[in-house]
Amino acid sequence: AQSVTQPDIHITVSEGASLELRCNYSYGATPYLFWYVQSPGQGLQLLLKYFSGDTLVQGIKGFEAEFKRSQSSFNLRKPSVHWSDAAEYFCAVAPLGSGNTGKLIFGQGTTLQVKP
Amino acid sequence: DTGVSQDPRHKITKRGQNVTFRCDPISEHNRLYWYRQTLGQGPEFLTYFQNEAQLEKSRLLSDRFSAERPKGSFSTLEIQRTEQGDSAMYLCASSPVVGLETQYFGPGTRLLVL
Repeated sequence: AQSVTQPDIHITVSEGASLELRCNYSYGATPYLFWYVQSPGQGLQLLLKYFSGDTLVQGIKGFEAEFKRSQSSFNLRKPSVHWSDAAEYFCAVAPLGSGNTGKLIFGQGTTLQVKP
Repeated sequence: DTGVSQDPRHKITKRGQNVTFRCDPISEHNRLYWYRQTLGQGPEFLTYFQNEAQLEKSRLLSDRFSAERPKGSFSTLEIQRTEQGDSAMYLCASSPVVGLETQYFGPGTRLLVL
């Protein structure tokens, strides 16, 4: 079955430290891959996406993600975390195939806490 | 471009009552999606419209749920005879053109069934 796994439910990092959020997917072919961020009371905001091409993609707010086909992973990184990055982060895939609708399958999310 | 809007933002209802939520997508987006998000979980796909046609429904969408998108603009999601298990955040998203373009999400409607 298609699935997205975010192994870390909760991560705490110090402000200024680097960050890596993990995402693994289970799917027969390489799907389209996304990272979204959700702040309290806010809707989901797209950070970045991967469709094809360069496996290192840049997003907004200084985030980047690397697609690794061999590991079925799409990990999100940021070199220096800011207190405003505290939020919930979701990895999502859009399965490909005939009749696909573009619906997203989300992981369960990783809550990021930033220590001052 | 004002983004995706949803109304109401919060709804408290008693078990057994009917509720209706509205979603206004970004203008000219022909794809519209509904998702449900329970506490501590990622959003789960409920249903999808392309223009006014409802093209896919998740098995999560029981007979008590119905969604419409008349004229291919705004959409409504109705839940009849609400149950406590329906308590969740209901998210709407829209995307432009045909293809796997980015989905833009609204702020959601938080439903609490007492």
